[in-house]
Parts: sequence; structure tokens; C-alpha cells
Amino acid sequence: GAGVSQSPRYKVAKRGQDVALRCDPISGHVSLFWYQQALGQGPEFLTYFQNEAQLDKSGLPSDRFFAERPEGSVSTLKIQRTQQEDSAVYLCASSLGSGTDEQFFGPGTRLTVL
Amino acid sequence: AQSVTQLDSQVPVFEEAPVELRCNYSSSVSVYLFWYVQYPNQGLQLLLKYLSGSTLVKGINGFEAEFNKSQTSFHLRKPSVHISDTAEYFCAVCSNDYKLSFGAGTTVTVRA
Repeated sequence: GAGVSQSPRYKVAKRGQDVALRCDPISGHVSLFWYQQALGQGPEFLTYFQNEAQLDKSGLPSDRFFAERPEGSVSTLKIQRTQQEDSAVYLCASSLGSGTDEQFFGPGTRLTVL
Repeated sequence: AQSVTQLDSQVPVFEEAPVELRCNYSSSVSVYLFWYVQYPNQGLQLLLKYLSGSTLVKGINGFEAEFNKSQTSFHLRKPSVHISDTAEYFCAVCSNDYKLSFGAGTTVTVRA
């Protein structure tokens, strides 16, 4: 496809379950970003990859959050032992180069933790 | 550290009327500024960005924004809105090479 895709689009988890959210960036895009968007708020930065290297994970809320991009393309955001406060939309974005390049966003995964 | 304040959470406007969405930022260093739009059930889409040069920036769909360094503002305007402009609008700032900080968003509702 031409854009960033994310799967699943919706995920319901019971508190304590582990979840994995997938992001397929635009082919050839070097940079990949994950954001968390709580209801009624703007997106908050979680982590940044340049190719397969995770250069910044300062926005990850806790050590239950883990992201990887092993081959420099597809990325997975994993949340262990989910909590109710993890309920949010998780957005993935990719860009050709650095932050001043346009970041193209996927539609997001809406996670609801019961 | 930088932060973004969008002064209006909701803006109702009639079709063909002008609209202005206000954005102020705080940063101790030079910044790059962006406006994104999010239509219902879609991802964020870039409307326009300011990196350097002319302080008046034109974007897609007839939108424009003006960078004012002394007032640390980057307000978004459109002279005549359409029903299809109903969406949520986010102002964002980037003060390093990659990390975007977003405002809380402004919901624009265009009425006939």
C-alpha cells in the first residue's frame, strides 16, 4: 500500500494481558515513530527508530512498554501486563529522513483495557 | 523542553465563514512548527509547516499560517471554510531533529 498501515485497528484486552501492535511504514522510510494519543489529547511521543536502531525511547511510560524494528521496516510495540491507563490510540508514523521531513501517520490502533 | 498550547478546544463556524485556530508554543531554542489535521477515522495529515524563511506559510486545502517569533505563535487561518473542513486540528513543534510535541487539538465543526 501507499501509506502507513497499522494492525489491529481495534484491540480489547483484559487487564494483565500482553498485547502487540504492528506498524508497516511506507517502503523506504528511514525514520519510524510511535505516539500515544489519550482521549481528548494530542499525540504524545513514545519512541523513535532510525532504520533498526532505537535512538530515543524516552517517552515510553514504563518498562512494560517495549518497541522493536529488527529489520528496519516493520515495527512492533508490545505492552506487557496491560493496565487500564494504557487505554489509548497508538499511532505510528514514518518519514523519509529526519524530523523536519513530513511524518506520515497511520490510522492508529485503539487499545481498550478492561 | 517545549510545549504547545492550543487556546480553543472547540470552534464552531458557519460554511463560507473565515476561521482562525490559535497556537502558542514555548521553547528556548529555534523551532520548526507544524499543523496537522485529523479527519474522523483517519490518520493525521500534514497541512503545512514552517522551517525557515517567509513567516507566512501556505498549505493544502486553502489553509495558511503565520509564524510570529516575538509572540511565539503560529496561528492557522482559512478565509472561507467548507463542510469538509470539519475535523480536529493539531499544532506541533519540533525543536530537535525529530521529536514532535503536539497541542491538545482544536475541533472545528462547520455548519451549513
